[in-house]
Amino acid sequence: QKEVEQNSGPLSVPEGAIASLNCTYSDRGSQSFFWYRQYSGKSPELIMFIYSNGDKEDGRFTAQLNKASQYVSLLIRDSQPSDSATYLCAVETGGGNKLTFGTGTQLKVEL
Amino acid sequence: DAGVIQSPRHEVTEMGQEVTLRCKPISGHDYLFWYRQTMMRGLELLIYFNNNVPIDDSGMPEDRFSAKMPNASFSTLKIQPSEPRDSAVYFCASRGLALTDTQYFGPGTRLTVL
Repeated sequence: QKEVEQNSGPLSVPEGAIASLNCTYSDRGSQSFFWYRQYSGKSPELIMFIYSNGDKEDGRFTAQLNKASQYVSLLIRDSQPSDSATYLCAVETGGGNKLTFGTGTQLKVEL
Repeated sequence: DAGVIQSPRHEVTEMGQEVTLRCKPISGHDYLFWYRQTMMRGLELLIYFNNNVPIDDSGMPEDRFSAKMPNASFSTLKIQPSEPRDSAVYFCASRGLALTDTQYFGPGTRLTVL
């Protein structure tokens, strides 16, 4: 079992819709969770992090965490074509400063 | 700050040659990370440093890979000898003291080993 799993996609949503990206992880000791966005040919950039169960909102983005189910998700409201990218879920592992990344979900927002 | 700087941006070499990738982290950052990204395996952590000291190199694939951080503003990742399966994008990233501080990635070095 991979430590961090994501559906590779592509996930296609129409402009203005809500995009829902999901991630599961295997290390029950993990405390911090991150979502990165990566445009094609570019480096990953942090969107947001979450470490408490529940929802965390930042603009059009909402991260959701359920530690009991070992599940973290990212919702993007009012999706725009500029949101088309690969979204990487990252989980703090090893009890320290390491991040383990999922392989990413490709999102396509269609006009 | 100019962000994390990596060089070269692209490297094409032949199998068996030595390859050296370079990274300048953001000034004041305590942590430096080297990652490798491929389509098949995604983004993998190779090694990370804290205050110039290597902390965890368990992701380094084999002895052909080595990394150094002689001072707070410079790190290298060396592959000797290189093999075609080393072809990937190599990212350097740096971060402040807290785990929840943003980890900033450099632009990456695209390595092709023929």
